Amino acid sequence: DTGVSQDPRHKITKRGQNVTFRCDPISEHNRLYWYRQTLGQGPEFLTYFQNEAQLEKSRLLSDRFSAERPKGSFSTLEIQRTEQGDSAMYLCASSFRGQGRDTQYFGPGTRLTVL
Amino acid sequence: TQLLEQSPQFLSIQEGENLTVYCNSSSVFSSLQWYRQEPGEGPVLLVTVVTGGEVKKLKRLTFQFGDARKDSSLHITAAQPGDTGLYLCAGADGGATNKLIFGTGTLLAVQP
Repeated sequence: DTGVSQDPRHKITKRGQNVTFRCDPISEHNRLYWYRQTLGQGPEFLTYFQNEAQLEKSRLLSDRFSAERPKGSFSTLEIQRTEQGDSAMYLCASSFRGQGRDTQYFGPGTRLTVL
Repeated sequence: TQLLEQSPQFLSIQEGENLTVYCNSSSVFSSLQWYRQEPGEGPVLLVTVVTGGEVKKLKRLTFQFGDARKDSSLHITAAQPGDTGLYLCAGADGGATNKLIFGTGTLLAVQP
């Protein structure tokens, strides 16, 4: 198992452009989370999928943000009309809901810079 | 709203010293995880604690979960430069989502 992967690792874009990030969770993990981390802060929850269903969205997730997890495998996070305040590290985590502790494992993150 | 406070925020010590990082909340968590994060990378799991009063050891690192499952501590013995990084505690809210509530982190620098 190669762990959670994210692509791209870095993205620089101009204000107003759309960007899309991809997350590939650990295989057979049915839970997938997106978090956002700004400099000097701990990660903050954005949204959660169980299999293909998006079951919770944070108030941090404005209408410009959309996330999908087709077929319950990889997930994408799209930000439309980016703003400078969107600059952050976007982290994906996955876990398995079943017996055990449901521990979340994180990917390396996508660093977004909006100019 | 569940909050986790970590202290200290910054710590610079010499190689070989011991240190303790604290993670406190007024809320009860179903479990608590400790992660270490390098610059530009995602958090890497160190340990998960579940039971009140639980103590876990990982080489020179000792983790403790408070009896009431509201607080935790991380103790490092004989710190080494390789221990340098951002240490994050995160409590699981235990709901259907089980999302993590993170502390603000403790930035540790171990000087050789």
